[in-house]
Amino acid sequence: DAKTTQPPSMDCAEGRAANLPCNHSTISGNEYVYWYRQIHSQGPQYIIHGLKNNETNEMASLIITEDRKSSTLILPHATLRDTAVYYCIVSGMDSSYKLIFGSGTRLLVRP
Amino acid sequence: NAGVTQTPKFHILKTGQSMTLQCAQDMNHGYMSWYRQDPGMGLRLIYYSAAAGTTDKEVPNGYNVSRLNTEDFPLRLVSAAPSQTSVYLCASSIPTSFPNQPQHFGDGTRLSIL
Repeated sequence: DAKTTQPPSMDCAEGRAANLPCNHSTISGNEYVYWYRQIHSQGPQYIIHGLKNNETNEMASLIITEDRKSSTLILPHATLRDTAVYYCIVSGMDSSYKLIFGSGTRLLVRP
Repeated sequence: NAGVTQTPKFHILKTGQSMTLQCAQDMNHGYMSWYRQDPGMGLRLIYYSAAAGTTDKEVPNGYNVSRLNTEDFPLRLVSAAPSQTSVYLCASSIPTSFPNQPQHFGDGTRLSIL
């Protein structure tokens, strides 16, 4: 079972920030938080990941709470091409390096 | 910059037939894996390989893999069953001995078994 909980759907206006929340209250000390997204008919695309510090790259920012029990993915200026299913995944470094995908959040960016 | 390439994109099989799904990556990644994606069930890991010459399975039976070189990781359905109708996704990454490396996915093979 997935170790994360996400809202099933969200929407935001084009050009505005999209803030996608994720709860991972059972996260352990060596587990990372990863975010992927999947656009229809494509494979999952890596967005960002972090351990305990906030992270930023050219696609998004990741804010992890101090207790690491939740995080927020921020798309600063959402575009129509950001419409996708967003997956928050908690993964450690076991031998399978398995990613356990939950149901994700379906983000709709409105014109 | 091809990344992870999967072929074919679509295929229809009859029950009992066999087929090999191809996956190739050009990033010199040691780790490769296969997932299947079904509606309402998310992605599930089927097989993985930490390096050329090694493979490990997550689900029993129905599938075989080989990893003869770094680039290719084909998935074989030995005797296809309707329950194996799914979208199959291949991924690759730097070996697990490196911490926190993201996985790169191909666009999948959509397989229907009648």
